[in-house]
Amino acid sequence: KQEVTQIPAALSVPEGENLVLNCSFTDSAIYNLQWFRQDPGKGLTSLLLIQSSQREQTSGRLNASLDKSSGRSTLYIAASQPGDSATYLCAVRGTGFQKLVFGTGTRLLVSP
Amino acid sequence: NAGVTQTPKFQVLKTGQSMTLQCAQDMNHNSMYWYRQDPGMGLRLIYYSASEGTTDKGEVPNGYNVSRLNKREFSLRLESAAPSQTSVYFCASREQGNTEAFFGQGTRLTVV
Repeated sequence: KQEVTQIPAALSVPEGENLVLNCSFTDSAIYNLQWFRQDPGKGLTSLLLIQSSQREQTSGRLNASLDKSSGRSTLYIAASQPGDSATYLCAVRGTGFQKLVFGTGTRLLVSP
Repeated sequence: NAGVTQTPKFQVLKTGQSMTLQCAQDMNHNSMYWYRQDPGMGLRLIYYSASEGTTDKGEVPNGYNVSRLNKREFSLRLESAAPSQTSVYFCASREQGNTEAFFGQGTRLTVV
């Protein structure tokens, strides 16, 4: 059974810092991995999708990497801003099944 | 673009009452999903529909039923609500293939 872990559960940084969020998964047989952002009381916003054949994806200040063999993904946020404060979730989609398996998220607080 | 729309946004039910959560997407996606989000447990799949006319159980289907009314709409029904069903419910949709999932804003359900 696929399990997804995100460490740390919470992170607090001053504005302007570069930071890395971690995601690990137990079964390397995946189709893709998706990073989401969730603001308090809101839905999930898709940030990046990495296919199993890819090593990384970039969107603006965000860069996500994938090392399928070791079961790890990282989300790098450059020059963090207070508006980046949110919970970040990673989810993997395994082969042969439709569902996304989610981690429990990292709650990020960026202070001015 | 509306994306994925869920109604209602908030609901309070008494134990034993029934209700239907509605979800509609305007992206012409084939696959639709219902998840629930509970503190410390991440999002868990309740039911999904890979295409119009098909539905399948996810991880936590007990106490729920679904209907894929047409390609746009996928509803979740609680026949006899229980306090354990207090949660935030998210609907999602995705095109077939290695594509990203899009989520609605959620329905916050409290069963007293």
